[in-house]
Amino acid sequence: GAVVSQHPSWVICKSGTSVKIECRSLDFQATTMFWYRQFPKQSLMLMATSNEGSKATYEQGVEKDKFLINHASLTLSTLTVTSAHPEDSSFYICSDAGGADTEAFFGQGTRLTVV
Amino acid sequence: AQKVTQAQTEISVVEKEDVTLDCVYETRDTTYYLFWYKQPPSGELVFLIRRNSFDEQNEISGRYSWNFQKSTSSFNFTITASQVVDSAVYFCALSEADRGYQLIWGAGTKLIIKP
Repeated sequence: GAVVSQHPSWVICKSGTSVKIECRSLDFQATTMFWYRQFPKQSLMLMATSNEGSKATYEQGVEKDKFLINHASLTLSTLTVTSAHPEDSSFYICSDAGGADTEAFFGQGTRLTVV
Repeated sequence: AQKVTQAQTEISVVEKEDVTLDCVYETRDTTYYLFWYKQPPSGELVFLIRRNSFDEQNEISGRYSWNFQKSTSSFNFTITASQVVDSAVYFCALSEADRGYQLIWGAGTKLIIKP
């Protein structure tokens, strides 16, 4: 079945640095990818919708200049957390959009810790 | 408005007991999809089931069963003869064709199976 591969699985970075998270669709083309953020003991919160070849659509309250999303090809979407702070520490998950005939496929998730 | 409610924050049962996780949804669309996902401590989301709004048949898969009732807008999930490996957080979600199949998540239910 379809697979979405997300890397890295976990990352620790220093405050003020940037971190890039990659989400690849391995055996299908994804024109749309979703990026979620999940705090401990909470549900998934949609951050933005990544569209191939165009600008991402951000949910209310999500800073687009801090969470840079690039979807340059049909198989790769990236989320870059710029100038990371400890409060950005969270679990980030990507998925494709799914559709009428299939469920969405999720990446393995990235646990980001900013120290 | 679209909404998914999982009223049970945490459930704890002893192994081999049956347990039901509740899910109530709200939508105005006639075409929608309901999902259950399992999230073990590793964080990776595991797809369990997808059901469309036109198919009210209940489904059984091994020890798992789902009861979809449009009359009460519910999509409950039952685990029969629970096992310790079933311990996880379970999410119910809703997607609608008119919203590009974007998932609307419940808050999740943490299931603890004690040996």
